[in-house]
Amino acid sequence: ETGVTQTPRHLVMGMTNKKSLKCEQHLGHNAMYWYKQSAKKPLELMFVYSLEERVENNSVPSRFSPECPNSSHLFLHLHTLQPEDSALYLCASSQGRAGVWNTQYFGPGTRLTVL
Amino acid sequence: GQNIDQPTEMTATEGAIVQINCTYQTSGFNGLFWYQQHAGEAPTFLSYNVLDGLEEKGRFSSFLSRSKGYSYLLLKELQMKDSASYLCAVKGTDKLIFGTGTRLQVFP
Repeated sequence: ETGVTQTPRHLVMGMTNKKSLKCEQHLGHNAMYWYKQSAKKPLELMFVYSLEERVENNSVPSRFSPECPNSSHLFLHLHTLQPEDSALYLCASSQGRAGVWNTQYFGPGTRLTVL
Repeated sequence: GQNIDQPTEMTATEGAIVQINCTYQTSGFNGLFWYQQHAGEAPTFLSYNVLDGLEEKGRFSSFLSRSKGYSYLLLKELQMKDSASYLCAVKGTDKLIFGTGTRLQVFP
């Protein structure tokens, strides 16, 4: 596979469930990102990883827990979510250091619905 | 505060030209991106401007005026497949800030 892939593409979960979103990039990039995209709102940056080290956490609630085991994989662990967390969750990667904000390549996203 | 403004929606006819504007107020400026996002798909990179002027890439061109805090994306010879959202994103001092996006609908 090429580019940035995300699984699952769609997820429906209850507020008491625990689930994980997975992202994999096949571009040899060093930086990976999680974004939340809600209707009629700008993309919200959640987390940034650079060479597997978390470099940014934008005041995201602790019910979202990221994990970056290596430079190609990024996870977002979800637990006790709220209905307002329903959104499209996008993963992206870029070349170079995360703080340089080079061109980002996005995955197709996971459409999350919290009931 | 930091702010990026884009029109929410635009419509245009197949074969026409459309200009999508983006104005920004950010702390610092280090470049501006345009991304295209079809419904249910990933945003894809269209262009990057860091210097004033027009960058042309096929049917798409992007313009930047740093002194005016203004950019536009120009789409020529519109095709039905150009129906999508167009996201403006500004690279500030230490952040990348996205606008809400402009949803473009192209009609036959």
